[in-house]
Amino acid sequence: EVQLLESGGGLVQPGGSLRLSCAASGFTFTNYVMNWVRQAPGKGLEWVSGLSGGGGVTYYADSVKGRFTISRDNSNNTLYLQMNSLRAEDTAVYYCAKDSPHGAFDFWGQGTMVTVSS
Amino acid sequence: EIVLTQSPATLSLSPGDRATLSCRASQSVGSSLAWYRQRPGQAPRLLISDASSRATGIPPRFSGSGSGTDFSLTISGLEPEDFAVYYCQHRRNWPRGTFGQGTKLEIK
Repeated sequence: EVQLLESGGGLVQPGGSLRLSCAASGFTFTNYVMNWVRQAPGKGLEWVSGLSGGGGVTYYADSVKGRFTISRDNSNNTLYLQMNSLRAEDTAVYYCAKDSPHGAFDFWGQGTMVTVSS
Repeated sequence: EIVLTQSPATLSLSPGDRATLSCRASQSVGSSLAWYRQRPGQAPRLLISDASSRATGIPPRFSGSGSGTDFSLTISGLEPEDFAVYYCQHRRNWPRGTFGQGTKLEIK
């Protein structure tokens, strides 16, 4: 059974940093692109970042480029999102999501809440 | 950037009804379109990929159609758990994944 479990969310002041983790199990982690998707309170879904299976190729939404860094530890089946220079508009539930062979996100974690506020 | 526009914003129907949700792309995305259902307080769940292929475990009352710029999701015989928000998503610029703004399906 595929499982994705995010952690690391919390309350942080504007300009601060936070690192999210996503522990994966139930599939061959290194074979899949992994993604972060966020959802601001009461709003829709926004793709944030993606990372190739080997970890060598990264992709970012313009809204987070230069501030967020995606990475993975394939030996521990874990995906990360390092978030720096956080802004109020980064407040959201952050989901990790696995790419499917058909290009959609076939499995999602339960999400972790990030609140940026003074 | 390809923008997805979903309609209607809200759809009010009764259990047992048939629902048809629309997703229109600002330019062609081929068949690279997916549909998700999100219940309150839960993560999204994949329903349809490649415009018309049901994901594993999704019942046949869900069907997707369309290609190019116009897509639809049809739910035949609404169950109580189907009242939720539905999102379409394209991956034309893989791995970037742009979502529509969502359609809320509510109980009439």
